[in-house]
Amino acid sequence: AQSVSQHNHHVILSEAASLELGCNYSYGGTVNLFWYVQYPGQHLQLLLKYFSGDPLVKGIKGFEAEFIKSKFSFNLRKPSVQWSDTAEYFCAVAGGYQKVTFGTGTKLQVIP
Amino acid sequence: DTGVSQNPRHKITKRGQNVTFRCDPISEHNRLYWYRQTLGQGPEFLTYFQNEAQLEKSRLLSDRFSAERPKGSFSTLEIQRTEQGDSAMYLCASSSGAANEQFFGPGTRLTVL
Repeated sequence: AQSVSQHNHHVILSEAASLELGCNYSYGGTVNLFWYVQYPGQHLQLLLKYFSGDPLVKGIKGFEAEFIKSKFSFNLRKPSVQWSDTAEYFCAVAGGYQKVTFGTGTKLQVIP
Repeated sequence: DTGVSQNPRHKITKRGQNVTFRCDPISEHNRLYWYRQTLGQGPEFLTYFQNEAQLEKSRLLSDRFSAERPKGSFSTLEIQRTEQGDSAMYLCASSSGAANEQFFGPGTRLTVL
């Protein structure tokens, strides 16, 4: 069975601070990895995805994530956060066409 | 708008009543997924269709839950004899192609009194 663990439930940062959100997954086969974001009052949106190739993936709004197979990790990073990045972030894993398994989410609050 | 749509957006019902939700996926997507999200949790998988075939169901989907996708386009999720524990956000997503990038709808928030 696949599972996802997000280490931080609530993160508070000041604007311009750097962000790293941890994500570890468990799955026995080839994985597809995702980070989704949910802004207040909005629905889930895809931030970035990894299917194969370059393990450093760049997404929208300056976010990036690095797939480290040996550590079963897919951490999300951003060098300098903005107030508009305040949202809930979900790491997720899928095997092929199957269901996506989500982590419990990390709420990010950016203080101006 | 060509995204995933869900109706209704909110539903308040009394315990024991039946409710039905509808999801319209992105038109060219052949795969459709239902998830449930409760406060403080990530979305949890309920069931998945490829075209009209229901290919996987979660253990979360009790006998009171049924989902259909009769023509391989829109889908309905029905909950019979609702219980307070059914209160949640019900999310629909769709995808296509070799990759499994799922696009989510806005969800239907169910409150069971």
